[in-house]
Amino acid sequence: DAGVIQSPRHEVTEMGQEVTLRCKPISGHDYLFWYRQTMMRGLELLIYFNNNVPIDDSGMPEDRFSAKMPNASFSTLKIQPSEPRDSAVYFCASHRGGNTDTQYFGPGTRLTVL
Amino acid sequence: RKEVEQDPGPFNVPEGATVAFNCTYSNSASQSFFWYRQDCRKEPKLLMSVYSSGNEDGRFTAQLNRASQYISLLIRDSKLSDSATYLCVVNPHSGGYQKVTFGIGTKLQVIP
Repeated sequence: DAGVIQSPRHEVTEMGQEVTLRCKPISGHDYLFWYRQTMMRGLELLIYFNNNVPIDDSGMPEDRFSAKMPNASFSTLKIQPSEPRDSAVYFCASHRGGNTDTQYFGPGTRLTVL
Repeated sequence: RKEVEQDPGPFNVPEGATVAFNCTYSNSASQSFFWYRQDCRKEPKLLMSVYSSGNEDGRFTAQLNRASQYISLLIRDSKLSDSATYLCVVNPHSGGYQKVTFGIGTKLQVIP
């Protein structure tokens, strides 16, 4: 299997621009997670989906962030408008289900907002 | 108090040394625990699960202390390739609930 795929790997944009991050989970995994990682706050869960349905978005920082999962093989995380404090590495992860299974992370998108 | 707390380090140890990390968690009802490893500028990957009875995988030993609410990771005979950040992960729920909490990570640097 190809693993979790994320694009782009790097994104540099200017404040106020819209940013869209993309994720393809591992086939057959029912759960998809979006995380943000910074030096100061570590790895934070933003939102997760089960069978394409958003289950918990309490980690989404504010209305500028939105996430969708239109089908089992694709999800997007959108930031509009972007701000410099959004600069971080954004990881997508997927999980087959079950309490003892692991989450598999994608390589991440390194976002820099100038 | 944070849900999951780790000493961020760095821990600088010579090759061949034994090093141990602890991670404390605040929710006494937490059900499952993991250690992940994250190399510099890479994604986190599962290192090992932590079982109530403890578990060992080669040079790595993970243990759970429910009474004191901490998990530990012991690395024996450290190798240069062990240099990474080790993330403690706690799942507070049973029955397949998926929202886990990651610690900030402990950075290990193994020195020649």
